Amino acid sequence: DAGVIQSPRHEVTEMGQEVTLRCKPISGHNSLFWYRQTMMRGLELLIYFNNNVPIDDSGMPEDRFSAKMPNASFSTLKIQPSEPRDSAVYFCASSFSAGTGELFFGEGSRLTVL
Amino acid sequence: QKEVEQDPGPLSVPEGAIVSLNCTYSNSAFQYFMWYRQYSRKGPELLMYTYSSGNKEDGRFTAQVDKSSKYISLFIRDSQPSDSATYLCATHNTDKLIFGTGTRLQVFP
Repeated sequence: DAGVIQSPRHEVTEMGQEVTLRCKPISGHNSLFWYRQTMMRGLELLIYFNNNVPIDDSGMPEDRFSAKMPNASFSTLKIQPSEPRDSAVYFCASSFSAGTGELFFGEGSRLTVL
Repeated sequence: QKEVEQDPGPLSVPEGAIVSLNCTYSNSAFQYFMWYRQYSRKGPELLMYTYSSGNKEDGRFTAQVDKSSKYISLFIRDSQPSDSATYLCATHNTDKLIFGTGTRLQVFP
């Protein structure tokens, strides 16, 4: 069982560049979540999708952040332009919404913006 | 006020100790409570799941919810070095999980 797959695992970029993070959820799961984790703020929910439709994007910090889910097996989180304060670990998680609500997390994408 | 508050630690204990990890939450409507464990450079994984008040035991782990005081606890008996990780409490609010900031635990031999 492959689990949630995220890419890239590490990304180092310069301020102002566009960053795209990718996620493949577990097959059969119909909810997908993007979280950001920092030492100071912990795990913050950015946006979540249910059946490929964005349900709640209130956690997206600014217009520089956007997320898409074109189909049930793929999602992207884009930051354009990136800033040093966006440096964090970004996690994608999926779940079967009719279940207990248990989230299955990927291993994260560690972003460093110089 | 954050919806879920958790002491970030770090907490350092000797092998074999009993560990108590705690969270408080603000919304009395929350019904489902979870503990996730996160090893270094990995994603969080579900450890325990409880509904409403009471205790739930799984091996060396016991999760406790006190809804009257909005308090969530995780107890680890006979702690092992392999328990060294960050422990995050979470509550289930409709379709999404809200996490505490996590408590970093170090169990030394």
